[in-house]
Amino acid sequence: KAGVTQTPRYLIKTRGQQVTLSCSPISGHRSVSWYQQTPGQGLQFLFEYFSETQRNKGNFPGRFSGRQFSNSRSEMNVSTLELGDSALYLCASSPAWGDEQYFGPGTRLTVT
Amino acid sequence: QQQVKQSPQSLIVQKGGISIINCAYENTAFDYFPWYQQFPGKGPALLIAIRPDVSEKKEGRFTISFNKSAKQFSLHIMDSQPGDSATYFCAADRGGADGLTFGKGTHLIIQP
Repeated sequence: KAGVTQTPRYLIKTRGQQVTLSCSPISGHRSVSWYQQTPGQGLQFLFEYFSETQRNKGNFPGRFSGRQFSNSRSEMNVSTLELGDSALYLCASSPAWGDEQYFGPGTRLTVT
Repeated sequence: QQQVKQSPQSLIVQKGGISIINCAYENTAFDYFPWYQQFPGKGPALLIAIRPDVSEKKEGRFTISFNKSAKQFSLHIMDSQPGDSATYFCAADRGGADGLTFGKGTHLIIQP
């Protein structure tokens, strides 16, 4: 089976702009989670989607949002980008809600 | 509040030796404890995981030891190899309720 794929792999944006990141889960997996990884804060949970519904959300501002489509693919959006949003954004897929999570390679976002 | 504390931050082990990484958690509601391995430029890869109903789980050269009363768990890498050089993260989950909570990571170097 193909693994989790994320696009784009690298992105450079300017402060104030918005960005959309995409994630395709492992075939058959219905749950998708998003995480932010930074050198200072480490890996932090953003949100999780299962069957097109957000099941839970981490402690991030409302500028961070996401959605899941009927084919389980997911997107996350960050509006009004800040310098501190520069990070590796990781998507993880699970067969179902609460199951083991398999990560994609991430999207490296740089905000200038 | 850091709910999962990981130590050491960095570790150097000779080839063939045993690498030991420790984690301690606070929330007794955690019921799933995975370990991830991350190479530079890659997403975290699920290595091995344990649930609180067992005290030890072994997969190849990797072993998780779990002490429920002490709220601690550890990863042992036997016969460590240079290819094991990576960053290792412990994590904990509360029944899928709010995503994985990660430790800060351990940078492991295996010297030839």
